[in-house]
Amino acid sequence: DVKVTQSSRYLVKRTGEKVFLECVQDMDHENMFWYRQDPGLGLRLIYFSYDVKMKEKGDIPEGYSVSREKKERFSLILESASTNQTSMYLCASSLKAGDLVGANVLTFGAGSRLTVL
Amino acid sequence: KQEVTQIPAALSVPEGENLVLNCSFTDSAIYNLQWFRQDPGKGLTSLLLIQSSQREQTSGRLNASLDKSSGRSTLYIAASQPGDSATYLCAVREDGGSQGNLIFGKGTKLSVKP
Repeated sequence: DVKVTQSSRYLVKRTGEKVFLECVQDMDHENMFWYRQDPGLGLRLIYFSYDVKMKEKGDIPEGYSVSREKKERFSLILESASTNQTSMYLCASSLKAGDLVGANVLTFGAGSRLTVL
Repeated sequence: KQEVTQIPAALSVPEGENLVLNCSFTDSAIYNLQWFRQDPGKGLTSLLLIQSSQREQTSGRLNASLDKSSGRSTLYIAASQPGDSATYLCAVREDGGSQGNLIFGKGTKLSVKP
C-alpha cells in the first residue's frame, strides 16, 4: 500500500515563526501536492510538484513556499506564520497521469493540524 | 471557472438503507472524477476514480456513475452500515488542466444510524 506520511499531526506555533511541514511518500510517485482544508471552504491547492525541484502554484500560494529536493519528500514552508494560516494541511501524492493502473489516484496523508497563536 | 457542488451538505439515514450522494460540476470538459471518503480529523481515502470515457465504476457496495454531458456524478452506497459514516467528497480534474488541478466539492457528511 502507498503510504504518505506527514511528520506532525498537531503543531502549535506563534505568529511570525517559520514553520516546516514535511511529507514523505514511499511509492516512487512523481506528483506531490499540498492542500489546506478549512470549514466551509473545502480543500484548496497550495502547491503541486510533478518532479524533483519542479513546482507549480495552486490556488492559494501566498504566504507559502515548497521544497522538493528528493522525489519522496515534499516540504511546505510558512516563512512567517500568521493566524489566518491556522488550518488542516493535507499532503497527497500520485503517479504521473497516463495509462498506468492507479495513475491519477491521489493518496493522502493523515493531515497536520496547525494552530498559529 | 469550474465549480463542484455536493448536495446535500449532510445526510442521516438508518442502517441498511441504500443511498445516493450527488456531485455536480459546471464544465463538462473533465479528464476524470474521483470520490473520496474522509473520517473526522483524518486525511482523504480514494474510493473510486472514473475516467471521462467511463460511465461507472464499482467497488464492493459502492458504485459511482458519471454523466459528463449533464455535469453529474452519483455515488451509490448499498446496504449502508454505521461504519460508512464519514464525509464524502468528489473532485474533478479538468480536461487539459494541470495534473495538480483537482477541484473539490465541499463534501456530504453522511451519518448512518444503527
